[in-house]
Order: sequence, then structure tokens, then C-alpha cells
Amino acid sequence: GENVEQHPSTLSVQEGDSAVIKCTYSDSASNYFPWYKQELGKGPQLIIDIRSNVGEKKDQRIAVTLNKTAKHFSLHITETQPEDSAVYFCAAPKVGDKVIFGPGTSLSVIP
Amino acid sequence: DSGVTQTPKHLITATGQRVTLRCSPRSGDLSVYWYQQSLDQGLQFLIQYYNGEERAKGNILERFSAQQFPDLHSELNLSSLELGDSALYFCASSVGGTDEQFFGPGTRLTVL
Repeated sequence: GENVEQHPSTLSVQEGDSAVIKCTYSDSASNYFPWYKQELGKGPQLIIDIRSNVGEKKDQRIAVTLNKTAKHFSLHITETQPEDSAVYFCAAPKVGDKVIFGPGTSLSVIP
Repeated sequence: DSGVTQTPKHLITATGQRVTLRCSPRSGDLSVYWYQQSLDQGLQFLIQYYNGEERAKGNILERFSAQQFPDLHSELNLSSLELGDSALYFCASSVGGTDEQFFGPGTRLTVL
């Protein structure tokens, strides 16, 4: 079955630095790769996603890169701010199959 | 506000009891997903419904069941509750099967 690994599990950066979180998946049939941010006491919220027909997508300080050959995709956050502190989850859902989320990365941005 | 509503917000009950969690998806969304999130744990997928039909199933216990009604709201039924069932239960909705999921605020279940 599908397996999604996510690294690192915790990440601490200084404000203004960049943060990178990487996910690997096992099923080559996956073609949609979202990243969710979960703040304390709230439900996850989509921050960026990418489909398998593109290699990179950017939205202001956030970008996602996809390497389908290697079966991994990464979240890049530049110029980090304290409000970026949260838990980040990746996923590799497929139609008609169970949705597997990565185990999460707890990001702390130190002012 | 994601547009997904979940009730109740908090639920405290005893072992062996049965509870029902309710979810109303965003207007126009046909898919509903249920997730369990235990303390400091990730999101465990339970089940997905699409337009009233079960679409995908995760590691949902036999004591748990769900359904999606004609008006597209969904209910998750948890029975013979155990201490280990204490968790946050999230509902999410999406337009189709592999689209952005919009999560509700969650129901915090405490089993004493």
C-alpha cells in the first residue's frame, strides 16, 4: 500500500532563514501532492499543492518542488516568520484509495 | 473559516458508550473524509464518502461506522468506546476525490 515518509520530524530555524521539509511516497500512480499547515487547536489548512504535470510551484514565500522519478516532493519556506510556526503535513492521495498523510513536521521559528 | 462545520466541539463520555459526530461539508463539495488525530500524532484516515457512497476506507475499527446522507452531511458513529479512542476527530470535504480538502474545526472526544 501507499507509504508517505516525511523528514525532519522537528525543525527549528531562526526568523528570516529558510525551512525545507521533504516527503517521499511509494506509489508511482500518485499525481496530486498537497501540503497542509496545522496551527495549535485548529484543523489543517492547505497552503500549497502540486500536480504531477509540473515540477515546481511557488506562492510568495512558499514553494513546492516535485521529483516524480525519485518519488519525493519538498516544501520550501523562505524568509520564515514566527507565524510560520506550526505542524506541516504532506499527503499523496489517489482517487478511490485511502488518504495517507505524512507523520508531520513541527516547525519552530525563533524570533 | 473553512466552511466545514462539525458538532459537537467537545464530547466527554464514559467507556462502553456510543457517540455520534456530525459534519456538514462546504456547499458544493461531494466528498467527505473522516480523520482521527491522537495527542501528538498525525492524521489517521478513517473513511471517505463521495456523493453518498463509500469511496475509500482506512484503518477504521469495526466499532466505528459512518454514513453520508442525501443532503451530503455525514455522521461518524463510535461505539463501545475505549480510553484509547480519546482523540480529535476531523472531518474534511472536497469537490471530488483528489482536490484540496477543507478541514473542519474538529471534535475533541474524551473517553473517561
